[in-house]
Amino acid sequence: GAGVSQTPSNKVTEKGKYVELRCDPISGHTALYWYRQSLGQGPEFLIYFQGTGAADDSGLPNDRFFAVRPEGSVSTLKIQRTERGDSAVYLCASSPAGSVNEQFFGPGTRLTVL
Amino acid sequence: EDKVVQSPLSLVVHEGDTVTLNCSYEVTNFRSLLWYKQEKKAPTFLFMLTSSGIEKKSGRLSSILDKKELFSILNITATQTGDSAVYLCAVPSGGSNYKLTFGKGTLLTVNP
Repeated sequence: GAGVSQTPSNKVTEKGKYVELRCDPISGHTALYWYRQSLGQGPEFLIYFQGTGAADDSGLPNDRFFAVRPEGSVSTLKIQRTERGDSAVYLCASSPAGSVNEQFFGPGTRLTVL
Repeated sequence: EDKVVQSPLSLVVHEGDTVTLNCSYEVTNFRSLLWYKQEKKAPTFLFMLTSSGIEKKSGRLSSILDKKELFSILNITATQTGDSAVYLCAVPSGGSNYKLTFGKGTLLTVNP
């Protein structure tokens, strides 16, 4: 079956602009996660959704970052007033109900802020 | 603070060699340890370990956990060029069973 998909695969933007990154989880997976991976580092947790609600957003770095999952499937990560330090690969993962630590990752969106 | 430390950070071997990758961790309320392989972008799941001393095996890859000494190893035998990747180790942290804390990874390069 289809895995986690993310669009766009690459996004280049200018400092100060607004961006949206999209994640389509594996069909039927109730849990969805966003991580951010900087060069030479492991992924860092941003936010966890269980269904439509953000169950844990403790990893979001500041209030410029926001994520939604209005229908419990597709999620959008929104970044306002982008900064050069936001440049990274943004990874999305999903997992089935009852197996939240078995996370299946998408290919990521590489965000470059000029 | 929960942390995961992987070693070595990088490793270059020849096809056919056997490699051992290390992962040590400090986490409150340990639940599991996971290994992922990351080639281009998407980490792909390899193993989840929950019990000490029980080896998990998949083809040429195997892994084992030591909960007393707080580490895990990932072994790859008869390496192939297709094994070249970053291998990531992660543990659920912060008292949760979902918030994965990752190590920096080991970059494995297998030369023909």
